Amino acid sequence: QKEVEQNSGPLSVPEGAIASLNCTYSDRGSQSFFWYRQYSGKSPELIMFIYSNGDKEDGRFTAQLNKASQYVSLLIRDSQPSDSATYLCAVKEGSGGYQKVTFGTGTKLQVIP
Amino acid sequence: DGGITQSPKYLFRKEGQNVTLSCEQNLNHDAMYWYRQDPGQGLRLIYYSQIVNDFQKGDIAEGYSVSREKKESFPLTVTSAQKNPTAFYLCASSIRTGGMNTEAFFGQGTRLTVV
Repeated sequence: QKEVEQNSGPLSVPEGAIASLNCTYSDRGSQSFFWYRQYSGKSPELIMFIYSNGDKEDGRFTAQLNKASQYVSLLIRDSQPSDSATYLCAVKEGSGGYQKVTFGTGTKLQVIP
Repeated sequence: DGGITQSPKYLFRKEGQNVTLSCEQNLNHDAMYWYRQDPGQGLRLIYYSQIVNDFQKGDIAEGYSVSREKKESFPLTVTSAQKNPTAFYLCASSIRTGGMNTEAFFGQGTRLTVV
């Protein structure tokens, strides 16, 4: 069983719409959750992090966390063609001195002009 | 400027050769990671290290080796035992403990091609 799961997509949305990206994780003890954006051929860049249940908003981006359901999501409002990229969910797992960051396989987002 | 530096950006290897990818960080991070990414795929963890002189295998460690002699450096050797090494390799680092915004920072990657 994969530790961090994402739908690989592609997810296609029209420009101006809301894009919803989802991620589930298996380690119930995980404390920190991250969303990265990766353009083709480039390294991932951090968009948001969240560690408390509920919503966290930053500009057009909203991260949502539900630890009981082991579910984290990213909403992108007013989607732009420049948002077209692969979005990676990452979870910090483990405890004590052996924590590691585990990534999902990513969801490819296509914003159609 | 603080950050993570990977070198080289492009690397070509002949079959049967070992090659070493460099990763250096000046962020004073304890944890460092190596990931492999194949075209159209996600990141797969090769090795990670939480402290100097200690490291753990990730999901796809076979055919790879690492060392962590200094906090700033975490080189990855791709050995001849790795049968399909052509991929994009990413090094990352993060704060090991404490604080909640313990995100991983990435280098620019090394693209390895077997010729």
